[in-house]
Amino acid sequence: DAKTTQPPSMDCAEGRAANLPCNHSTISGNEYVYWYRQIHSQGPQYIIHGLKNNETNEMASLIITEDRKSSTLILPHATLRDTAVYYCIVGYSTLTFGKGTMLLVSP
Amino acid sequence: DAGITQSPRHKVTETGTPVTLRCHQTENHRYMYWYRQDPGHGLRLIHYSYGVKDTDKGEVSDGYSVSRSKTEDFLLTLESATSSQTSVYFCAIAGGSNYGYTFGSGTRLTVV
Repeated sequence: DAKTTQPPSMDCAEGRAANLPCNHSTISGNEYVYWYRQIHSQGPQYIIHGLKNNETNEMASLIITEDRKSSTLILPHATLRDTAVYYCIVGYSTLTFGKGTMLLVSP
Repeated sequence: DAGITQSPRHKVTETGTPVTLRCHQTENHRYMYWYRQDPGHGLRLIHYSYGVKDTDKGEVSDGYSVSRSKTEDFLLTLESATSSQTSVYFCAIAGGSNYGYTFGSGTRLTVV
């Protein structure tokens, strides 16, 4: 059962902000929102996670709506190296990965 | 990836043979996970461990067993490999139950 809904693909111009949406309308009270990305065939890379509040780190920002039913991952200045599949996951102790969003950053 | 290594990186084996994949960590993390990744299915959890000798099944555990006799090592065993177990296997570690995971580089297993 898919807990999250993401667009299958998105495009972004290099240097612009990439805003990746995710719907998770059935999220439970103790479940976190996680974002990972996977570049080509490498292992997934952790980006950020949050429970209720917006979060920011050196890689990205996570904006979670007040009702927690959706979130947005923001890459403030996308580079070609940010081309990857981005996974939005909700969970607590174990995480289920869906199909994610293929983000293509172009020059 | 720093702190987590998987071995072997590639393996070709014959149907019916036993295979063991190893995940080794130097981070002293409590939680360890095994996933498989196949085209069209994304990553699926096989087994996970929340401490030495404490393991539990994931969504695709049939045909797999695991062992964790010490904190740093988590072994995944295919008792009798089948072609349907041809996949890329990823190990992950986490310091807490709601922490971000760190993934290994993967093991590409081909069963012929």
